[in-house]
Amino acid sequence: ILNVEQSPQSLHVQEGDSTNFTCSFPSSNFYALHWYRWETAKSPEALFVMTLNGDEKKKGRISATLNTKEGYSYLYIKGSQPEDSATYLCASPLGGTSYGKLTFGQGTILTVHP
Amino acid sequence: NAGVTQTPKFQVLKTGQSMTLQCAQDMNHNSMYWYRQDPGMGLRLIYYSASEGTTDKGEVPNGYNVSRLNKREFSLRLESAAPSQTSVYFCASRTAGSTEAFFGQGTRLTVV
Repeated sequence: ILNVEQSPQSLHVQEGDSTNFTCSFPSSNFYALHWYRWETAKSPEALFVMTLNGDEKKKGRISATLNTKEGYSYLYIKGSQPEDSATYLCASPLGGTSYGKLTFGQGTILTVHP
Repeated sequence: NAGVTQTPKFQVLKTGQSMTLQCAQDMNHNSMYWYRQDPGMGLRLIYYSASEGTTDKGEVPNGYNVSRLNKREFSLRLESAAPSQTSVYFCASRTAGSTEAFFGQGTRLTVV
């Protein structure tokens, strides 16, 4: 993996379902992996920043895990609600430094149906 | 505390016109970024400035120039606008290290 990639591109779930998406990133020269939530007509807002292999972060019903050796992170949403509908982005600083070239994946668009 | 402020919020340009998008942050962040958002493509990096006095190209720099005027301000210039530059533009900033980025409100640019 040379870039940041996300799957799936979009996801439709029913209210109450649990769901997860994947972010893949280059495992060499890794510094951090960011997750953002982006609601329509707003700006992206950070959910988590993770740096260590095996990191797990949680905020309410949303959690994330990190595997830096194999270059992937999962975002989980437990008991999805309609207000969870948004685009979820992951990002990582690429190019060999921790402060430059923050590169985003294409995003996963989540729609939660009541 | 305003965070990251972008101006203007909306702009319509004719092909060939020029304009500058302004971005300012008041969080004393070192790094600043310009992204464009197009349907199905997430956020693509146009240019970034890792610290005051430096700028570097991102994934899609063609047709754009940037200036890191000081630590607070990072502007994006379109010298000769083209319809392909119709997009929503976001400015972001963050400190060095493993910290999250903060985004401006976005500029919706239409080139006709």
